[in-house]
Amino acid sequence: DSGVTQTPKHLITATGQRVTLRCSPRSGDLSVYWYQQSLDQGLQFLIQYYNGEERAKGNILERFSAQQFPDLHSELNLSSLELGDSALYFCASSFTGERYNEQFFGPGTRLTVL
Amino acid sequence: ELKVEQNPLFLSMQEGKNYTIYCNYSTTSDRLYWYRQDPGKSLESLFVLLSNGAVKQEGRLMASLDTKARLSTLHITAAVHDLSATYFCAVDIEEYGNKLVFGAGTILRVKS
Repeated sequence: DSGVTQTPKHLITATGQRVTLRCSPRSGDLSVYWYQQSLDQGLQFLIQYYNGEERAKGNILERFSAQQFPDLHSELNLSSLELGDSALYFCASSFTGERYNEQFFGPGTRLTVL
Repeated sequence: ELKVEQNPLFLSMQEGKNYTIYCNYSTTSDRLYWYRQDPGKSLESLFVLLSNGAVKQEGRLMASLDTKARLSTLHITAAVHDLSATYFCAVDIEEYGNKLVFGAGTILRVKS
């Protein structure tokens, strides 16, 4: 158990819908990262927040957005869902978000879009 | 664009045998990570390699980093069934911020 929690574990929804994934980092960690894992794209970085501020952005679609709240938990919002958005979404956290900080991964949320 | 390549992508081996997984990356980096993932599960951190020549060992797994060759290896000694999983290497470099760029993963199956 890494100490990073994610809810829900599974999410099944329909195309065109909107969902919110939630992540709580390890106690003391200030930085949160979101990754998407799919069969065709592998593991891809989406976005990083550090202490409430966006720090880095990856291959995140415009239909996706995220934020980090004052209590440091983070939410990833996915809208206008398409079949191709079906994937495992991981949240990771690290202490300061600097380069030399190890990232610890949560259990993931499996999203299925029908 | 930073590329991270692993090979082989699939490895089937007998218990008791040795083998090596290779991880090549395209840009200079002095920080490389190895993760393990069981089917449908999260990523478990195995090794963090901090500098050129770094070597770390845990049980039957040993990882090394050669930053000049842009190569890391994960060596498996006397494999056992419990090592069956997918192994990922990941790299981060300064110009990409803090994100990790992952290899495609190596699926390891150890047969009894």
